[in-house]
Amino acid sequence: SQTIHQWPATLVQPVGSPLSLECTVEGTSNPNLYWYRQAAGRGLQLLFYSVGIGQISSEVPQNLSASRPQDRQFILSSKKLLLSDSGFYLCAWSWVLLQGEQFFGPGTRLTVL
Amino acid sequence: DAKTTQPTSMDCAEGRAANLPCNHSTISGNEYVYWYRQIHSQGPQYIIHGLKNNETNEMASLIITEDRKSSTLILPHATLRDTAVYYCIPIYQGAQKLVFGQGTRLTINP
Repeated sequence: SQTIHQWPATLVQPVGSPLSLECTVEGTSNPNLYWYRQAAGRGLQLLFYSVGIGQISSEVPQNLSASRPQDRQFILSSKKLLLSDSGFYLCAWSWVLLQGEQFFGPGTRLTVL
Repeated sequence: DAKTTQPTSMDCAEGRAANLPCNHSTISGNEYVYWYRQIHSQGPQYIIHGLKNNETNEMASLIITEDRKSSTLILPHATLRDTAVYYCIPIYQGAQKLVFGQGTRLTINP
């Protein structure tokens, strides 16, 4: 069976500090991978998605970036965090041909102070 | 992508059927209707999807009107663990992203 991991579960970072969130998927090959963010009281917003190693599509302009160094690893980064980066970050994966059915990880709750 | 309209919130008694409506009057012919839910502080969970015909799985049933302009998600015997925000999402099968709206906050009461 497939599983998706995210870490850390929670993170408190000062403004201006760097960020690295990691997501890994087990039990499948060549999945589509996604990063979403949910600000407090808001809906989910797609940030990035990837259809393969090194292939990243950005949905919104921001100070975040994503990378996919390995087939089942997806990393979300920032060089300098802003207060507005606080939120609940979710990684998800899908089969290539069934992209409407996405499987979400447990999420990382980021607080920027 | 089609726009959706869902009630902001709903209540249902435990053990009763919960019926969650969704209006998607601008849906196109090849857009599926997907339903997800998000329990507090967790990631969204896929529930069910359909194109034209009604669908049923171990979690829920999906009723899509003949003109496809609306659908209803049915949780046949709601439990307290079904308390969550439910999202209705029209999407092309080959599309690469889900667009989550505000959804319906369903509260199951004991």
